[in-house]
Amino acid sequence: GAVVSQHPSWVICKSGTSVKIECRSLDFQATTMFWYRQFPKQSLMLMATSNEGSKATYEQGVEKDKFLINHASLTLSTLTVTSAHPEDSSFYICSARDRGIHGYTFGSGTRLTVV
Amino acid sequence: GNSVTQMEGPVTLSEEAFLTINCTYTATGYPSLFWYVQYPGEGLQLLLKATKADDKGSNKGFEATYRKETTSFHLEKGSVQVSDSAVYFCALSPILTGGGNKLTFGTGTQLKVEL
Repeated sequence: GAVVSQHPSWVICKSGTSVKIECRSLDFQATTMFWYRQFPKQSLMLMATSNEGSKATYEQGVEKDKFLINHASLTLSTLTVTSAHPEDSSFYICSARDRGIHGYTFGSGTRLTVV
Repeated sequence: GNSVTQMEGPVTLSEEAFLTINCTYTATGYPSLFWYVQYPGEGLQLLLKATKADDKGSNKGFEATYRKETTSFHLEKGSVQVSDSAVYFCALSPILTGGGNKLTFGTGTQLKVEL
């Protein structure tokens, strides 16, 4: 079945540094990628939607200059958290869709801790 | 807009007990409905789905029937196991085909199964 590989699975960084999270679709073409943030014991909050080759569409309240999303190819999308602060610590999950009817495939998530 | 309402957790059951997790939705048209499961520290895995009224999704002993008349998609399992302990999310998508439509999630229901 469809697989999305998300890396890293966890990362610890210092305040002020930037962190890049990658999501790769391994056996299908991800025409659309969704990036979510999840706080402990809460549901997923959609941050942005990106289509291959075009700019991401951000949800209201999400800072696009802080959370940079790149979807340059049909198999790779990246989320870069710039100038990270402790309040950015969270669990980030990507989800990919292809052109067919296979639904949504989720990555395994990245636990970001900013110290 | 679209919304999904799930019963609040945590739900604690003994092994082999019957499970019901309620889910109701609000949406225009004929959305697709999903149940996802999230194990600790992991991303989401699709458990089952239904794309039209009266469809029954099933997987690993779990079932849910798309009830348009009651706008519900309740998750059931006849005999839970300890390994079923996880967080369960109900979700909807406006349409299954096409690349851009995003999922709307419920708040999640934590299930704990004890021996």
